[in-house]
Amino acid sequence: GAVVSQHPSWVICKSGTSVKIECRSLDFQATTMFWYRQFPKQSLMLMATSNEGSKATYEQGVEKDKFLINHASLTLSTLTVTSAHPEDSSFYICSASSGGQGYGYTFGSGTRLTVV
Amino acid sequence: AQSVTQPDIHITVSEGASLELRCNYSYGATPYLFWYVQSPGQGLQLLLKYFSGDTLVQGIKGFEAEFKRSQSSFNLRKPSVHWSDAAEYFCAVGRNSGNTPLVFGKGTRLSVIA
Repeated sequence: GAVVSQHPSWVICKSGTSVKIECRSLDFQATTMFWYRQFPKQSLMLMATSNEGSKATYEQGVEKDKFLINHASLTLSTLTVTSAHPEDSSFYICSASSGGQGYGYTFGSGTRLTVV
Repeated sequence: AQSVTQPDIHITVSEGASLELRCNYSYGATPYLFWYVQSPGQGLQLLLKYFSGDTLVQGIKGFEAEFKRSQSSFNLRKPSVHWSDAAEYFCAVGRNSGNTPLVFGKGTRLSVIA
């Protein structure tokens, strides 16, 4: 079945530094990638949608200059948290879709970011 | 507006007992419905999905769900719960293409007791 590999699984960084999270679709072409943020014991909050080769579309309230999303190929999307602060600490999950009828959304295993 | 309601925040069932998790949706078009399961610190795993056809959908791990258009519901069921089923369950609804994001419910946490 479709697999999305997300790395790293967890990361600790110092306040003010940047962190990059990668999502790769291993056996299908991900025409669209979605990035979510999840707070403890809460549902997924959509941050942005990105289509391969296009600029990402950010949800209202999400700072596009802080959360940089790149979807340069059909198998790779990255989320970079720039100048991270403790309030950016969260669980980040990507989801990839190949689109079309009978499509499915495949989720990565998530990245636990802790900013100290 | 699109929305998904999971009325039960937390459910506790005994191992071996039956389970039903409720999901109601509000959607302006033909809904494409999903159930996902999430273990602590993990991503989401697809249990089953409904696009069209038979309204009773079979999924993995012995789960099934029934789409009832008249009730705008897509409840998840399992006849006999195992301790390993303890997790968070999310219902989601989407459009008939993969380039729009899913709308998620707030989730139901399932606890299983001996």
